[in-house]
Amino acid sequence: SQKIEQNSEALNIQEGKTATLTCNYTNYSPAYLQWYRQDPGRGPVFLLLIRENEKEKRKERLKVTFDTTLKQSLFHITASQPADSATYLCALDPRSGSARQLTFGSGTQLTVLP
Amino acid sequence: DTGVSQNPRHKITKRGQNVTFRCDPISEHNRLYWYRQTLGQGPEFLTYFQNEAQLEKSRLLSDRFSAERPKGSFSTLEIQRTEQGDSAMYLCASQGGLSPPGANVLTFGAGSRLTVL
Repeated sequence: SQKIEQNSEALNIQEGKTATLTCNYTNYSPAYLQWYRQDPGRGPVFLLLIRENEKEKRKERLKVTFDTTLKQSLFHITASQPADSATYLCALDPRSGSARQLTFGSGTQLTVLP
Repeated sequence: DTGVSQNPRHKITKRGQNVTFRCDPISEHNRLYWYRQTLGQGPEFLTYFQNEAQLEKSRLLSDRFSAERPKGSFSTLEIQRTEQGDSAMYLCASQGGLSPPGANVLTFGAGSRLTVL
């Protein structure tokens, strides 16, 4: 069966460092991989997506990589700030024409310490 | 309004009562989704609408759950005879606009948190 795992339940890093979050999957061939940010008591907010044929995507301090051989995506936040503290969710998108098939990971809680 | 609006934000109810949540999506989005999220987990798909038509329902959506989108605009999710296991965050999301072709990027509301005592 399809499985998606995000690294460690919680990640604490010092302000200014680079945070790296991992999303691994099995038994799946997504066309896209999406990353969302979720603050406590709020809904997820879309950040970035990367296509299956892209190796890397950047947006400001965010960088996402996608390795379909390893079945893994890495999400990096450079020069991290306390305001980056949140839960980050990855989602596998099969390009089925409907978000019904989106599969979300359980998220990684990031805390950036001042 | 440029976002997805959900009401109420919080609902506490006793087991056996009925509850209804409302979602107002982004007006130009024709697809509307309901998800459920429990603590420490990612959102799980419940059902979705294309305009007013309910096109798919998850196995998670038991007979006690019903969703409507009568005029293809706002949607309601009703849970009848609530059980403690229904306690969760109920998220509404709409889809449309500037996604890359074929990608399913969602705009979520803030959610409605249900606590069943």
